[in-house]
Order: sequence, then C-alpha cells, then structure tokens
Amino acid sequence: AQSVTQLGSHVSVSEGALVLLRCNYSSSVPPYLFWYVQYPNQGLQLLLKYTSAATLVKGINGFEAEFKKSETSFHLTKPSAHMSDAAEYFCAVSLIGTYKYIFGTGTRLKVLA
Amino acid sequence: DAGVIQSPRHEVTEMGQEVTLRCKPISGHNSLFWYRQTMMRGLELLIYFNNNVPIDDSGMPEDRFSAKMPNASFSTLKIQPSEPRDSAVYFCASSIRQRGYEQYFGPGTRLTVT
Repeated sequence: AQSVTQLGSHVSVSEGALVLLRCNYSSSVPPYLFWYVQYPNQGLQLLLKYTSAATLVKGINGFEAEFKKSETSFHLTKPSAHMSDAAEYFCAVSLIGTYKYIFGTGTRLKVLA
Repeated sequence: DAGVIQSPRHEVTEMGQEVTLRCKPISGHNSLFWYRQTMMRGLELLIYFNNNVPIDDSGMPEDRFSAKMPNASFSTLKIQPSEPRDSAVYFCASSIRQRGYEQYFGPGTRLTVT
C-alpha cells in the first residue's frame, strides 16, 4: 500500500536560511510525486512534480526537490527563505496510471524575521 | 484560463439542514475530486470521478453525503442532514492525464454547521 510521511508538522527557519521539508514515500512501483503549498484561507497550489523524468525537479518560487529512489525520499528545498514562504506544504504520491493521490499530513513553515 | 470554481465560498447552516456545494472543473479536465480538510483529520479524499463516473467513493463518511457529476463541467456534493461535525473546508480539484495527473484545486468552501 502507498503512504506518505512528512517529518515535522512545524518547521521554523530564519529569513534567508535554507528551507528543507522532508517527505518519504512508500510505493511498490515508481510513483508520481508532488509538492503543494497552501496559503491561509486558500486552496492548494502545485509547487512541483516528479513524473519519472529528471530526478531533480525545479518548481515555482525557487523551490526544488530531488527524487531519491534508494532513500524513498522527495525532500523539498529552497536555498533562501523569504517571509512570503510561510505556508503549509503538502507532499503527495500517486501511482502512475491512476488519478488518486495520497497526501501527507502537511508541514507548516514559519519564517522568522 | 479560469481555474476550478467553487460556490459558495462560505456556508453557515443549522444542524439538520441540507447543504449543497458546487464545483466547476477546469474545461477539458476529465477527473474531479472532492476533499475535506479539518484540523483533526487533515486532507481527506471523499470521492473522485473519471469522465463523470464515480470511481472511488470509499472516503464518503456516511449516507448523509452524496456527490453527483451530471456533466463534464459541473459537480455537487450534498450533505443531508448536516451535523456540526461536518464543519470543515471542502475542496474540489480537477486533473487531466496529459498534464501528468497533477490536480488543480479550487479555493474551497468553508462550511460551518451550528
């Protein structure tokens, strides 16, 4: 069965510091992987996706993620945090050929001035 | 392009009343999803449709919940009768195979049942 684990429900970083949000997945076949961001009182917005092409995926707002099959991980990073990055971030997995996602429980990112 | 449209954005109703949430997916998308988000349970998939046909409704909490998709451009989620524990934000999302199955979310409907 597929599952997604996001380590750390809350992460705080200083403005300008590295952002690292962790996501590990469990899947018996290569999955598609996604990161979404949710700002307060808004819907989820796609940040980036991995669909079996390049393992390093670049997304919007300076975020990127690396698919590591050996570690079953898809961690999200950004070199320098900005105050506007404060939001909740969700990792999701779907099996290739299906439409259904399994979402992680989310990580709330706080950026300190 | 217009995104996923949901209405109403906010709904306040009394326990026992019928509530209908509406969703218009992105034109050309052939899959539609209804999610519920609460602090306690996070983001839960309630039901999803492919080509207007319900494929998986295992997430629908109970018989009080029903969803329909009469055509490719409209879906409803109905709760009858509503209960306070149904209070949540309900999201609709749509996707298309050609875009790598990525889902596009609407702004959500915040439902409060008193």
